[in-house]
Amino acid sequence: AQSVTQLGSHVSVSEGALVLLRCNYSSSVPPYLFWYVQYPNQGLQLLLKYTTGATLVKGINGFEAEFKKSETSFHLTKPSAHMSDAAEYFCAVSGAGNQFYFGTGTSLTVIP
Amino acid sequence: EAGVTQSPTHLIKTRGQQATLRCSPISGHTSVYWYQQALGLGLQFLLWYDEGEERNRGNFPPRFSGRQFPNYSSELNVNALELEDSALYLCASSLVQGRTEAFFGQGTRLTVV
Repeated sequence: AQSVTQLGSHVSVSEGALVLLRCNYSSSVPPYLFWYVQYPNQGLQLLLKYTTGATLVKGINGFEAEFKKSETSFHLTKPSAHMSDAAEYFCAVSGAGNQFYFGTGTSLTVIP
Repeated sequence: EAGVTQSPTHLIKTRGQQATLRCSPISGHTSVYWYQQALGLGLQFLLWYDEGEERNRGNFPPRFSGRQFPNYSSELNVNALELEDSALYLCASSLVQGRTEAFFGQGTRLTVV
């Protein structure tokens, strides 16, 4: 079975500071992993994805994530937070049968 | 290329009524997923359709139902609406041939009064 755990439902960072959003997963098959961002009253937009190959994945808006199999983690980072990064972030895993499992989300606040 | 489209954008219904929400997936995508996003509750998985068949269902009562049409568009029906059904309903589509990302629509905001 697949599942996703996002540690911290709310994260606050200062503008210009490092952003770190945590995601751990469980999967009975090699996982495909995703990070999505949601702005208020909108759908989810794909930030980045890991399927196979390089474990450090770069996405849009300066975000990146590293797949660590030994830690079953796929944490999202950005070196320098911008005000426009304030949003809800969801980690997801796609497992056997192509069903997606989403975490409960992390709300990111950027303090000026 | 058109993305996932959902209609209507907003829907206001009275308790006890029925609501019908529609989703058109990206061309070529055969899988459609429905999620409920109520305030403060994250994404709750509702239904997954692929090739016209229901593949999986979340922990929701039977009054939540749907179908997928031959052109892969989908419809979500909610019968006997309750106040707590008020939420943003999101539809997503993906390719089934490989394990690829899901693309989301902008959602339908359902308000039950």
